[in-house]
Amino acid sequence: EVQLVESGGGLVQPGGSLRLSCAASGFTFSSYWMHWVRQAPGKGLVWVSRINSDGSSTSYADSVKGRFTISRDNAKNTLYLQMNSLRAEDTAVYYCARDTYSSGWYLSLWGQGTLVTVSS
Amino acid sequence: DIQMTQSPSSLSASVGDRVTITCRASQSISSYLNWYQQKPGKAPKLLIYAASSLQSGVPSRFSGSGSGTDFTLTISSLQPEDFATYYCQQSYSTSITFGQGTRLEIK
Repeated sequence: EVQLVESGGGLVQPGGSLRLSCAASGFTFSSYWMHWVRQAPGKGLVWVSRINSDGSSTSYADSVKGRFTISRDNAKNTLYLQMNSLRAEDTAVYYCARDTYSSGWYLSLWGQGTLVTVSS
Repeated sequence: DIQMTQSPSSLSASVGDRVTITCRASQSISSYLNWYQQKPGKAPKLLIYAASSLQSGVPSRFSGSGSGTDFTLTISSLQPEDFATYYCQQSYSTSITFGQGTRLEIK
């Protein structure tokens, strides 16, 4: 089955760290760019970060630049998001998503999400 | 960053109605515009990509149009399972951005 499964969310204190994982299966993970998108409770979707297929190029939203690091292990078919210096405003469900190109780029496959709560 | 503005923010409609949601970009994005549907507690689901291409498995009552800065998502005849929140998203820039969402509710 083609799927993405996130893990690693939980409750963390402000200033703390957390690493999210996204396990891919059913497709050739190493061929796809990948993204992290988050959604604060009751709010809309916000793009966080993306990484190209071999991990050599990354980009970040200004709100997380310098605090979050996206990476991937193509041998393990896994995407990561290392989150440091966490703030209350980082509280959200974090989704990983697969990028696909056909006449344009789009997020064709999403995981179920993992909830990160930053609170003391 | 490219700003995406959806209208309306919420909409009440009845089963069988024809519904149109609009999305405007702050600059031209050619046809690099996608639409997603999200139901409560679930991940977003791709409906339309490249402004007007229907994703495999999505019912044909969904359609998209537009280019440049102005885009629309149309549902030709609302079904009970269509009540959800809809988001547009631009992929013209490597820093992708989403609209704020349109919540479609049952009248």
